[in-house]
Amino acid sequence: SQQGEEDPQALSIQEGENATMNCSYKTSINNLQWYRQNSGRGLVHLILIRSNEREKHSGRLRVTLDTSKKSSSLLITASRAADTASYFCATDGNAGNMLTFGGGTRLMVKP
Amino acid sequence: GAGVSQSPSNKVTEKGKDVELRCDPISGHTALYWYRQSLGQGLEFLIYFQGNSAPDKSGLPSDRFSAERTGGSVSTLTIQRTQQEDSAVYLCASSLNGRGTEAFFGQGTRLTVV
Repeated sequence: SQQGEEDPQALSIQEGENATMNCSYKTSINNLQWYRQNSGRGLVHLILIRSNEREKHSGRLRVTLDTSKKSSSLLITASRAADTASYFCATDGNAGNMLTFGGGTRLMVKP
Repeated sequence: GAGVSQSPSNKVTEKGKDVELRCDPISGHTALYWYRQSLGQGLEFLIYFQGNSAPDKSGLPSDRFSAERTGGSVSTLTIQRTQQEDSAVYLCASSLNGRGTEAFFGQGTRLTVV
């Protein structure tokens, strides 16, 4: 079973708008990561947030983490058509070291 | 190498045949993961290697699936007696030392069982 679940499963917005994706998980974690996938192939790491952090920024990306609610959000500001991709959250879980991925959010940014 | 390399990129095989998928991780990375992804779906964990520890095989879907990692580097995922439901993209990733550190993914092997 998947540790993380993304919401929504699909999101369609216009270029320039902000996109927000959410991730919920079940067990305690050491950190949470977000990845991007184009065209169903390899994933690219975007950002990592540790369990003792609440918010982190990287360029147009903003990630929040609420460990009390076991949830995280990824905000992409001023979206571009090139941001069209699937976005996944991944958690390590403190019971083991492997990364467990959610089902992903498919983001489409229309030009 | 510069990144994680997987081969072949695409594999078409007949039902019942065995296949081997190869993953060359980034040099020096002690952790290696295999995942499977069906079309439009999330990543399904298969197996995790970390250094010299016994691998975590909890995600392997059946005894037709096995994987090994030789010399703490190259890994091979073997599927015996392939079935049509095995068709998917098989993704390999490595990370410096596991423990939830950033994972670097290969481009995957698209397996089609006909």
